[in-house]
Amino acid sequence: GNSVTQMEGPVTLSEEAFLTINCTYTATGYPSLFWYVQYPGEGLQLLLKATKADDKGSNKGFEATYRKETTSFHLEKGSVQVSDSAVYFCALSGPPSNSNSGYALNFGKGTSLLVTP
Amino acid sequence: ETGVTQTPRHLVMGMTNKKSLKCEQHLGHNAMYWYKQSAKKPLELMFVYSLEERVENNSVPSRFSPECPNSSHLFLHLHTLQPEDSALYLCASSQALTRQITRAYEQYFGPGTRLTVT
Repeated sequence: GNSVTQMEGPVTLSEEAFLTINCTYTATGYPSLFWYVQYPGEGLQLLLKATKADDKGSNKGFEATYRKETTSFHLEKGSVQVSDSAVYFCALSGPPSNSNSGYALNFGKGTSLLVTP
Repeated sequence: ETGVTQTPRHLVMGMTNKKSLKCEQHLGHNAMYWYKQSAKKPLELMFVYSLEERVENNSVPSRFSPECPNSSHLFLHLHTLQPEDSALYLCASSQALTRQITRAYEQYFGPGTRLTVT
């Protein structure tokens, strides 16, 4: 079945450091891929998406490229800020193992990022 | 109001109480979702409604009862909950799937209701 694997956190970086959060997936067919961000005390916000191989999603300085050959969708940012401290979720369209619904997004477990001044 | 709103933001209830969570979306979507987010556990999909019909009931205990009166509103009715039901309950919405589009669209989430069962 479909699955998403994210690097374990927490990730702690100094302000202006380079960020990479790894995400790999297994899926049948051609899923869409997403990154969501959850700030403390809030719901998940869509950060960026890519719908086909070699697409690059980008938003607020974050980027991720849909790599079908390596089944990856790593999130990167060139210079993080304290305000980027949050939990980041990788997700793909296509049901997780405990669902048959075409509506389901398959979420990773989340990676916590802490950026210090 | 814009996006997806949820009320209340915080709720404390006893195990014998009955309460309801409300979600409203202002995005023109016609699919809505309930998720449960517990500490140190993956996000759990509970229910999906598409065009006001329930299309997913992910083995959720009957003490959780969803209701979708129209495509903009979604409720989660709670009764005789257990302490392990304490969690953040998230509502989301998206475009509905069609026979031509079978790959899930991105979902837009509300801020959640932090539920504590005492």
